[in-house]
Parts: sequence; structure tokens; C-alpha cells
Amino acid sequence: DTEVTQTPKHLVMGMTNKKSLKCEQHMGHRAMYWYKQKAKKPPELMFVYSYEKLSINESVPSRFSPECPNSSLLNLHLHALQPEDSALYLCASSQDSGRPSNGYTFGSGTRLTVV
Amino acid sequence: GQQLNQSPQSMFIQEGEDVSMNCTSSSIFNTWLWYKQDPGEGPVLLIALYKAGELTSNGRLTAQFGITRKDSFLNISASIPSDVGIYFCAGPIPGGATNKLIFGTGTLLAVQP
Repeated sequence: DTEVTQTPKHLVMGMTNKKSLKCEQHMGHRAMYWYKQKAKKPPELMFVYSYEKLSINESVPSRFSPECPNSSLLNLHLHALQPEDSALYLCASSQDSGRPSNGYTFGSGTRLTVV
Repeated sequence: GQQLNQSPQSMFIQEGEDVSMNCTSSSIFNTWLWYKQDPGEGPVLLIALYKAGELTSNGRLTAQFGITRKDSFLNISASIPSDVGIYFCAGPIPGGATNKLIFGTGTLLAVQP
């Protein structure tokens, strides 16, 4: 299995809703990442988990709350989002966060729309 | 912060033409990665480069690691319609136990049959 699976593929939520994005990989990778991508822009790093511990938070607002329940799963909990948070949210994994030179494997993303 | 600048920003070409794009940084990188992103999908790794001057091919794609270590180039020969997409260079910001992969500004490629 060489895939990163993200669910749901599309999500529409209101500003008062609570929702979660899910990401799963079974490649034995020990680093997992959340990226946010606005239209026609490059992906921007949000969070890095290394060996199930949060190692980087790129000053992301607290309305985004990551969670890594085990080495295969990564969640992103969403609460009280704003319309400007609408974007494609990408999950990625790599063998080791200290050696990203072997490349990250990305999921297909969750297209989030906040109304 | 660090930024990777890609040029051109977009290209509109005819099927069969060759394509060249580049990526430049103000800082030295030890690894260059080239990704392609189709609409509504995540980026897919095309080529990884690990050494200054290295030239690596993947089918019709060829990428080079610039000798200054501040730039990289991607060429696509004999383009076909499925080459359409956004091409991103990427590199890990060096230093520290956890590297951060940053992406270039992207080159949008459109191929007319």
C-alpha cells in the first residue's frame, strides 16, 4: 500500500460547526503532515508530527486542532472556522521527518468550504 | 521567510513541444524535489535530486540540480495533453531535527492538442 487516504473528499461546514478531517497511511512512515492550499497557490505547511508527537506548528490558529492517535492516522479537528479557511487541505507522510529528501507522499486532499 | 521562485508562472504550448521551467532560491538547498499536481488532487513526486550538478530523468522528464545549489531545472520533452497541471519545485529547509518542506510558486502548464 503506497497511498495516503484522506476523508472526506469534500466538506461544507458552517462557521459554528465542528468537523474533522481524517488521513491514513500504511507505509510505515513515521512523519505525517498537514498542508493548506489555496487556489493557484503552493501548499503551505501547517503541522508536522514525528513519531506521533507534534514537532512543528506553523503558528496555525487554534480553531485548527491536529491529533495523531497512532502512527497510521492523522486527524485535523475544525471548530469555529471562517470563510477564509476554505481551501484544499492536504495530508502527507514521509519515512522520517529528519530526511524528507526521499519525498513526501500526498493524499488527494479534502476540499473544505466554510459558509 | 524562505521562498522558492518558479518561472515561468504559466506556459501555453502545443502538443509535441519541449518545455523548460526553473526554480530559484536565495538559500542553498541540499535536495530538490519536483512535483506535479493535477486539479483536485495532491502533488505527486516526479523527480528527486540530491547532489549539485546531478541530472536525473524519469521518462520524458529531466531535472537538474544547479551547481550553485540555489536552483533547479525541469524539462519535459515532446509534451502530451496529460502533461497539463501545475509543476512545483520543493525543498527541505535545512537544519534542525525536523525538516520543513517548502514549495515553489508553481508553473501552470497547458498543452493544446
